[in-house]
Amino acid sequence: GQNIDQPTEMTATEGAIVQINCTYQTSGFNGLFWYQQHAGEAPTFLSYNVLDGLEEKGRFSSFLSRSKGYSYLLLKELQMKDSASYLCAVRDNTDKLIFGTGTRLQVFP
Amino acid sequence: EPEVTQTPSHQVTQMGQEVILRCVPISNHLYFYWYRQILGQKVEFLVSFYNNEISEKSEIFDDQFSVERPDGSNFTLKIRSTKLEDSAMYFCASSGGSGGRNNEQFFGPGTRLTVL
Repeated sequence: GQNIDQPTEMTATEGAIVQINCTYQTSGFNGLFWYQQHAGEAPTFLSYNVLDGLEEKGRFSSFLSRSKGYSYLLLKELQMKDSASYLCAVRDNTDKLIFGTGTRLQVFP
Repeated sequence: EPEVTQTPSHQVTQMGQEVILRCVPISNHLYFYWYRQILGQKVEFLVSFYNNEISEKSEIFDDQFSVERPDGSNFTLKIRSTKLEDSAMYFCASSGGSGGRNNEQFFGPGTRLTVL
């Protein structure tokens, strides 16, 4: 079966660092994506990992371990505008994206 | 920056009516997708489309659903006889310019479908 798990909610303080974890079990694997989604809006691309290791992109980094079926998204120097849902999605062998339920992050001043 | 566009932004319809949701993918993309998100739930894959035919469809995409690329720019999702449970946000996505299959999927802003 297809299963992607991530925490439902997280809170953090402005300026802090937060790590959002994602574990997956899918029938195929062709890369892992992180998307940001503000309420009522479309998912917007943050990062893509297909090989093990860390990908850094400004304040956002994403890590992948294929052997463990595990990824995390790291957000540094949090800003109020980072309050959103963060969606972990695995692309399977047929190219469709399988999404987790998303982690709703609230950033407080 | 090129983007995926969708119309209408919000569609209200009566149960049993047909609706057509429209999308204009990014112009040099080759792979097209429809996803839906019921309020408060996760994004779910409906169908993928490549080379003028369906590549894959989920179990949600039953005989009431169809997709079409009527011309070189539009990509449509038709629901023939809407049900209450079809109420959701429908997202179109496209990928795969010159970089091929490994590119990200770009999502449109979505169409909120409300079935009464």
